[in-house]
Amino acid sequence: QQPVQSPQAVILREGEDAVINCSSSKALYSVHWYRQKHGEAPVFLMILLKGGEQKGHEKISASFNEKKQQSSLYLTASQLSYSGTYFCGTLSNDYKLSFGAGTTVTVRA
Amino acid sequence: DADVTQTPRNRITKTGKRIMLECSQTKGHDRMYWYRQDPGLGLRLIYYSFDVKDINKGEISDGYSVSRQAQAKFSLSLESAIPNQTALYFCATSGAGEYTDTQYFGPGTRLTVL
Repeated sequence: QQPVQSPQAVILREGEDAVINCSSSKALYSVHWYRQKHGEAPVFLMILLKGGEQKGHEKISASFNEKKQQSSLYLTASQLSYSGTYFCGTLSNDYKLSFGAGTTVTVRA
Repeated sequence: DADVTQTPRNRITKTGKRIMLECSQTKGHDRMYWYRQDPGLGLRLIYYSFDVKDINKGEISDGYSVSRQAQAKFSLSLESAIPNQTALYFCATSGAGEYTDTQYFGPGTRLTVL
């Protein structure tokens, strides 16, 4: 069962912030975040494990609320290079990642 | 050299033809996966393999089959291709790890079925 991502798309100006949400109906062991540039393969950004850890990658950070089975990805002071489609992947007791439908982020100068 | 390679990168075929997509990896990972990507639907798992003797169906396995020839090779076959199998196909690998399972993707194969 795929996790639900929101919003589907967001348009930002350089320097603005955005939040992407990911929620699951299943108990989760971990949440992964990937970014895909147009025409390229998805690339791993970070993983969040049970325990509510907050991780960071450049000015991109994320949180994981295991009780609510939700994760949020925070794009801070966005740069042009942040444009792409962001996918969350959730890992539960079947040990297979299930990916959300993606959130397309467009950062404009 | 890329750690995960896919061949071919692009393929156009006709309805009813048998097609094989191949994936090779040099990462030494035991786990390999095949996904298809359609606009607005994200990545959906077709088949996965946790080791050479282990093959499992994913959420959309109908119309597909796989073969794990070696630790480093995992092939996806479409026995009789149909137009709604037109999609971008990705192979991925991951190392064993109960809570990690970070996936490394190949460059993708764009398949068009006419």
